[in-house]
Amino acid sequence: VHLVQSGAEMKKPGASVKVSCKSSGYTFSDYYVHWVRQAPGQGLEWLGRIDPKSGGTNYAQKFQGRVTMTRDTPTTTTYMELSRLGSDDAAVYYCAKSGSHDSSDYWGQGTLVTVSS
Amino acid sequence: DIQMTQSPSSVSASLGDRVMISCRASQTIDNSVNWYQQKPGKAPKLLIYGATNLQSGVPSGFFGSGSGTDFALTITNLQPEDFATYYCQQTYSISQTFGQGTKVEI
Repeated sequence: VHLVQSGAEMKKPGASVKVSCKSSGYTFSDYYVHWVRQAPGQGLEWLGRIDPKSGGTNYAQKFQGRVTMTRDTPTTTTYMELSRLGSDDAAVYYCAKSGSHDSSDYWGQGTLVTVSS
Repeated sequence: DIQMTQSPSSVSASLGDRVMISCRASQTIDNSVNWYQQKPGKAPKLLIYGATNLQSGVPSGFFGSGSGTDFALTITNLQPEDFATYYCQQTYSISQTFGQGTKVEI
């Protein structure tokens, strides 16, 4: 199982960022993909999840209206787009495959998003 | 959201020691707790799922316990590779939340 994320991004305040996560080594449509972020020196924060089979999503209330998760089934890739970026959105963003008890059993390598004018 | 209060925030320990990290949920969450280990610059690694189940490939020195609102991760016979930050996570609610983390230091 592998999840490979897109490269680092640098964005200006107010812009949007879209991070990709390509899954391989398992049946893509059978497991949710979660997105989690970690600000510098801080803990883990869950943004939401997507069901690759249906495209259905669940977002953390904090990010409702600002985050969009999508998937492209033929390429087994999920995407996380976060809009109206502020300085507090600077973080490493991770995707992760859902496992037992909706844990995250396999993780991408992380994508650093920097927000600076 | 369900709050996960993790303690202590850091602990100093020696090789061979036994360390216990606690996590308390703001409401009952059955056994819907997972534990992760994270090393600097790396993605988290799943250790325990469903409060007590050892993830495949994880050494047997890690032990999860608890149900309801109180949970614990116990690390026995600390090894050099165990010095890291540990997080609990609740998945009882669709909106998952993590504890603040516990750094295990030498």
